[in-house]
Amino acid sequence: DAKTTQPTSMDCAEGRAANLPCNHSTISGNEYVYWYRQIHSQGPQYIIHGLKNNETNEMASLIITEDRKSSTLILPHATLRDTAVYYCIVRVSGDDKIIFGKGTRLHILP
Amino acid sequence: DVKVTQSSRYLVKRTGEKVFLECVQDMDHENMFWYRQDPGLGLRLIYFSYDVKMKEKGDIPEGYSVSREKKERFSLILESASTNQTSMYLCASRTGLSYNEQFFGPGTRLTVL
Repeated sequence: DAKTTQPTSMDCAEGRAANLPCNHSTISGNEYVYWYRQIHSQGPQYIIHGLKNNETNEMASLIITEDRKSSTLILPHATLRDTAVYYCIVRVSGDDKIIFGKGTRLHILP
Repeated sequence: DVKVTQSSRYLVKRTGEKVFLECVQDMDHENMFWYRQDPGLGLRLIYFSYDVKMKEKGDIPEGYSVSREKKERFSLILESASTNQTSMYLCASRTGLSYNEQFFGPGTRLTVL
């Protein structure tokens, strides 16, 4: 079973920041938070991951709360190509069983 | 950029046929994985491999086998295809560092008639 809770769907206007929340209240100290997305009919695409500190890369930023029970993925300037299902996953380093929950279907509105 | 390619995007086979799904990665990754993805069931791990000629069963290995003769290539074999193996099959790879992300291929949508 997925260990995360995400909203089923969200809308965001093109050019605005998309903020996707994820709750993982039962996360363990050695579990990382990963974000993937899946555009229709394509394989999942890795976005970002983190353990405790906030992380940023060329695609997105990941904000993890101090108690690590929730996190937010931020796409700073959403485009139509960001329309996808976004999955928040927690897993232990060394555990290769990625369990995708239902994810959040993000619609970018022109 | 890491590139994971799969031999076919769409495949239609008949019940009882032997089916080969090929996956190739170009980043010298040690670890490779095969998943299937079904609506409502999410991603399920079939088999994975940590090195050439090594294989480990995932959660649903029944009806499948794998082959890894070369580091860059990981093949999934359906010995005798059945209709319940109709699914999206996804291959992934990652480096040997276990906290690193997995990179996925585009997927093969297999239909078994």
